[in-house]
Amino acid sequence: GENVEQHPSTLSVQEGDSAVIKCTYSDSASNYFPWYKQELGKGPQLIIDIRSNVGEKKDQRIAVTLNKTAKHFSLHITETQPEDSAVYFCAASGRAGFQKLVFGTGTRLLVSP
Amino acid sequence: EAQVTQNPRYLITVTGKKLTVTCSQNMNHEYMSWYRQDPGLGLRQIYYSMNVEATDKGDVPEGYKVSRKEKRNFPLILESPSPNQTSLYFCASRPDSINYGYTFGSGTRLTVV
Repeated sequence: GENVEQHPSTLSVQEGDSAVIKCTYSDSASNYFPWYKQELGKGPQLIIDIRSNVGEKKDQRIAVTLNKTAKHFSLHITETQPEDSAVYFCAASGRAGFQKLVFGTGTRLLVSP
Repeated sequence: EAQVTQNPRYLITVTGKKLTVTCSQNMNHEYMSWYRQDPGLGLRQIYYSMNVEATDKGDVPEGYKVSRKEKRNFPLILESPSPNQTSLYFCASRPDSINYGYTFGSGTRLTVV
């Protein structure tokens, strides 16, 4: 089945810097790649997603890039702010389709003022 | 407010005592899913449902049961809980087969002693 690896496990940046989180997946049939943000004591919240027919997608300060040949995708956060501090999860749909999202192990992002 | 509601938020129980974690969504979503979150392992899918009376196993279904008798409700049942089921549980829902983004509940922290 699908396997998703996520790096780094922790990331510390200064306010205003950029942050990049990377994920690799194993199943070439995966076609949907969402990113979730989880704040302390809350459930994950979808922040951006990309489908396999698109190489890049932006939404204000966040962007996701997808390289299907290399089977990796990345989350880019520019001009980071303290409220960006959270745990971020990537996921991939896998061969079984969109109903069986496989998640990475998470990245704890800390943005220091 | 559109949301996924789980109850209880916290639960401590003893080995072997049957319990049910309830999940309800008010968005008329077709798809619902249960995940467990463990440190270093990310989110792993337990069961999912495509519609009323349609459920299927995720990646870690052992020791769990689900039912989907109504569109809005998707309870998770632990017939005989064991300590290795101590975890943080999330229910999630999404609209249909086209819109892939899940909305997560706030989580249920279960401790089995």
